[in-house]
Amino acid sequence: DTGVSQNPRHKITKRGQNVTFRCDPISEHNRLYWYRQTLGQGPEFLTYFQNEAQLEKSRLLSDRFSAERPKGSFSTLEIQRTEQGDSAMYLCASSFRVGQGDYGYTFGSGTRLTVV
Amino acid sequence: GIQVEQSPPDLILQEGANSTLRCNFSDSVNNLQWFHQNPWGQLINLFYIPSGTKQNGRLSATTVATERYSLLYISSSQTTDSGVYFCAVEVWTGNQFYFGTGTSLTVIP
Repeated sequence: DTGVSQNPRHKITKRGQNVTFRCDPISEHNRLYWYRQTLGQGPEFLTYFQNEAQLEKSRLLSDRFSAERPKGSFSTLEIQRTEQGDSAMYLCASSFRVGQGDYGYTFGSGTRLTVV
Repeated sequence: GIQVEQSPPDLILQEGANSTLRCNFSDSVNNLQWFHQNPWGQLINLFYIPSGTKQNGRLSATTVATERYSLLYISSSQTTDSGVYFCAVEVWTGNQFYFGTGTSLTVIP
């Protein structure tokens, strides 16, 4: 397994356009997380999936954001009608959750979004 | 929400020196992890340590959950240790990790 893979690495888009990012987690992991990180800050939680079910969403995830994880495999994060404030690094992570324990938490390299 | 504070915010070390990074959190936590974000932005999981002490090579970590803090020790620092160190906590009532403010470490040769 090569870890968590994210595509694309970079995305430049014009304000108002829609963008979609993809995350391929580690295959044995049952949890997949999306985070957003801006310069000088720690990652901020957006949403997570347990297998194919989206179980929690942050208040940061406005109606313009939607995430899916069909069949509990890869996940996509779509941002509609992008705004300049959406410019950030979007990080995906996966882990193996057993009870209250969270093991093997692994981040991808991220997708850097620039909205112009 | 829970507050996660890290200190110091910035640290400059001579290669070979030792350091201690601290993470304080404002509420009881279920899980705690330490991450290193290298200068290229990649986040690497260092420790999963909700309580107790763990060691991995030159790094070790201790979490005292009852007193709501965790410490990360770096011994014999190397230039490759440079980057930002984050602690992240998960509260008992939730399933998301809250990241601290980070400690930016620079190791100079």
